[in-house]
Amino acid sequence: TQTVSQSDAHVTVFEGDSVELRCNYSYGGSIYLSWYIQHHGRGLQFLLKYYSGNPVVQGVNGFKAEFSKSDSSFHLRKASVHWSDSAVYFCAVSGTQVVGQLTFGRGTRLQVYA
Amino acid sequence: ETAVFQTPNYHVTQVGNEVSFNCKQTLGHDTMYWYKQDSKKLLKIMFSYNNKQLIVNETVPRRFSPQSSDKAHLNLRIKSVEPEDSAVYLCASSTQTNTGQLYFGEGSKLTVL
Repeated sequence: TQTVSQSDAHVTVFEGDSVELRCNYSYGGSIYLSWYIQHHGRGLQFLLKYYSGNPVVQGVNGFKAEFSKSDSSFHLRKASVHWSDSAVYFCAVSGTQVVGQLTFGRGTRLQVYA
Repeated sequence: ETAVFQTPNYHVTQVGNEVSFNCKQTLGHDTMYWYKQDSKKLLKIMFSYNNKQLIVNETVPRRFSPQSSDKAHLNLRIKSVEPEDSAVYLCASSTQTNTGQLYFGEGSKLTVL
């Protein structure tokens, strides 16, 4: 069984601030880790993913995430947020045996004030 | 840009009625999915399907069924809706080799009165 935990339901920052959205997972085998963004009333958009190699992965719009096996974490970061980054962010994990069946965290709502 | 198209975007119906949601992808992907997102934004996989295999999440009630005419289309049929079926249904697609990177549609919001 794989689980994903996003400890912060809400994060509030101001434009230009840096932000870290936390994600911890539990899974016994090889996994894919990914982050998605969902703006209000829209579908999910892929930001980035990790499977192996460099633990720091770069995504779209200045987002990056760092994988840590010791902490079972895959936190998402951005150095300087914009008001348009306000959205719900989902961390997801999928095993290698069943393609594309993602287990999502509960999501973190990021509110960026101008 | 959107490459996974869902219709209708909204649907309101009564308990016991039948509902269908359509999904088409223009990405040339070979695998499609349906996810359910409840009012608390929780996302759960319902089905995944490619030309070889249909995988059904064991928690999905039997009144739900996927229907596919080709690899670009995966529709969702609900035979007799219940109040707890009120949710947003999200269609997605991917290639088999690109696990973890799914392309989602805009969603179909179902309200059951």
